[in-house]
Amino acid sequence: QKEVEQDPGPLSVPEGAIVSLNCTYSNSAFQYFMWYRQYSRKGPELLMYTYSSGNKEDGRFTAQVDKSSKYISLFIRDSQPSDSATYLCAITNAGNNRKLIWGLGTSLAVNP
Amino acid sequence: DAGVIQSPRHEVTEMGQEVTLRCKPISGHDYLFWYRQTMMRGLELLIYFNNNVPIDDSGMPEDRFSAKMPNASFSTLKIQPSEPRDSAVYFCASSQTGIYYGYTFGSGTRLTVV
Repeated sequence: QKEVEQDPGPLSVPEGAIVSLNCTYSNSAFQYFMWYRQYSRKGPELLMYTYSSGNKEDGRFTAQVDKSSKYISLFIRDSQPSDSATYLCAITNAGNNRKLIWGLGTSLAVNP
Repeated sequence: DAGVIQSPRHEVTEMGQEVTLRCKPISGHDYLFWYRQTMMRGLELLIYFNNNVPIDDSGMPEDRFSAKMPNASFSTLKIQPSEPRDSAVYFCASSQTGIYYGYTFGSGTRLTVV
């Protein structure tokens, strides 16, 4: 079993739709949960992060962590064509090990 | 800040040739990471440095790959000899001590070995 599982999609939605992106993980010791966005031919950029469990909101984006289910989600409200990108989840622990464990990424297309 | 700067953006080379990828991290960042990205395997960590010292190179595929960080503002990833299966996008990223969640990535080098 991979440490992080993410459905690669692709996901295609109409403009204005609510988008739900998800990852599952296997190690309950993970503490930091991140979502990165990657536009075509660019490097990933940090979109949101959550420490431990709960929700975090930033504009149209909401990140959720359910540690009991080992499940993390990113919701995008009122999706825009500019949201078309690949979304990668990443998880890690604090401490000396600086490795991020990455999902494969979900490709999202928002159609005008 | 100009961000993480990588060069070249694209590299096409023949099998057997030496390839050198370059990276300039963000000033003040003390961690530097080299990643490889492919469709099949996603992002793979190759090696990372802390204060210019290699900490973990367990992701380096084989001895053909080597990385150096001679100072805080420069790192190289070298492949010698290159093979077609090395074709991928190579990313450099940097971060700071205590910031466990935030890497800043460069725009990557798209390597094609023919």
